[in-house]
Amino acid sequence: GQNIDQPTEMTATEGAIVQINCTYQTSGFNGLFWYQQHAGEAPTFLSYNVLDGLEEKGRFSSFLSRSKGYSYLLLKELQMKDSASYLCAVLDSNYQLIWGAGTKLIIKP
Amino acid sequence: DAMVIQNPRYQVTQFGKPVTLSCSQTLNHNVMYWYQQKSSQAPKLLFHYYDKDFNNEADTPDNFQSRRPNTSFCFLDIRSPGLGDAAMYLCATSSPGAGAVIEQYFGPGTRLTVT
Repeated sequence: GQNIDQPTEMTATEGAIVQINCTYQTSGFNGLFWYQQHAGEAPTFLSYNVLDGLEEKGRFSSFLSRSKGYSYLLLKELQMKDSASYLCAVLDSNYQLIWGAGTKLIIKP
Repeated sequence: DAMVIQNPRYQVTQFGKPVTLSCSQTLNHNVMYWYQQKSSQAPKLLFHYYDKDFNNEADTPDNFQSRRPNTSFCFLDIRSPGLGDAAMYLCATSSPGAGAVIEQYFGPGTRLTVT
């Protein structure tokens, strides 16, 4: 079966750094996405990795290791507005998105 | 601005009373998706259209139907809503193509309440 695993909830302090991990087992791989979703709102696109390595985009970076079936999202200089759920999703061999359940990130002052 | 629009944002319907949710897009994307998302869960794909080709997920109940009359519009019909159908319904679009990043663009969602 296809499976995406990520922690249910994480807590971090404003100004700090947090890493949200995602492991996956899917039938085929055509890239991995990270989305941010604030409560009651739609997901918004953060990053896409299809090759191994680190992609940096401002305060957010995303890493992929295809051989390990592993990705992480790194958030630096945390702000209160970063409190949200972060969803990991893998595009499988049929170009369907397989979604994780999301990691709820709580930022404390 | 090009975008994905969903109407209404909030919908209340009675148990068993048919309801239609709508989605429109100005992105001219050829793929449109309908997802159901319940609290603290992953979005669950109900179906998607690749142009006019309709693709139904195997576990999507028959109670859910969809129509795409043209590129810009897509509708989700729930024929007899049950209490378990209360959820956020998300419409998304994408435009897969050679060399393109194929992220999905989401509308704001319609939160459905069934009374």
